[in-house]
Amino acid sequence: DAGITQSPRHKVTETGTPVTLRCHQTENHRYMYWYRQDPGHGLRLIHYSYGVKDTDKGEVSDGYSVSRSKTEDFLLTLESATSSQTSVYFCAISDPLVDITTGELFFGEGSRLTVL
Amino acid sequence: GQNIDQPTEMTATEGAIVQINCTYQTSGFNGLFWYQQHAGEAPTFLSYNVLDGLEEKGRFSSFLSRSKGYSYLLLKELQMKDSASYLCAVHSGAGSYQLTFGKGTKLSVIP
Repeated sequence: DAGITQSPRHKVTETGTPVTLRCHQTENHRYMYWYRQDPGHGLRLIHYSYGVKDTDKGEVSDGYSVSRSKTEDFLLTLESATSSQTSVYFCAISDPLVDITTGELFFGEGSRLTVL
Repeated sequence: GQNIDQPTEMTATEGAIVQINCTYQTSGFNGLFWYQQHAGEAPTFLSYNVLDGLEEKGRFSSFLSRSKGYSYLLLKELQMKDSASYLCAVHSGAGSYQLTFGKGTKLSVIP
């Protein structure tokens, strides 16, 4: 199994508070991603990173920011959480130079966030 | 834009064969993935198709027709542990490696 850990795994917070989710990998993979998964929507990309300090927006980036100061860590921040951000958040990694035939994604175990 | 369609739910009997279809309309195409996700767990990689045809891997096979924008995942000799959601995802290419996912098909295997 790919070495990906997410923290916290569960969090309950109140509307308007800041929240940071952390993804840590031990695989030295170049690409890291944050997805959210909601019933009826499937997995949707929030932001991704293609290297240290190199990030870009995904499909549903509004209300989220990210940072990657080290290869192994990718942080997702909700500056002011809203109830619509209640979701399960998955971090994923890939490196087409390693998984050269596919560039497949390896997922972390997910972080369940509830915003009251 | 990107559009990936797959059935929401399917039910099949233990020991049987089931086919889960996926159709896609994307701005580019650089491969199609199938992932399996058990309830409360992370998705795990099942298969990858980039050329037309059938890829077989044990009890699971995946087929791709690029001209039709169509793929299917075939599960043979169904087992209870195959009850899960199956996610179709397309890599549209163009220099990034992000995947666009369908909403997933929840498969229930019954005795």
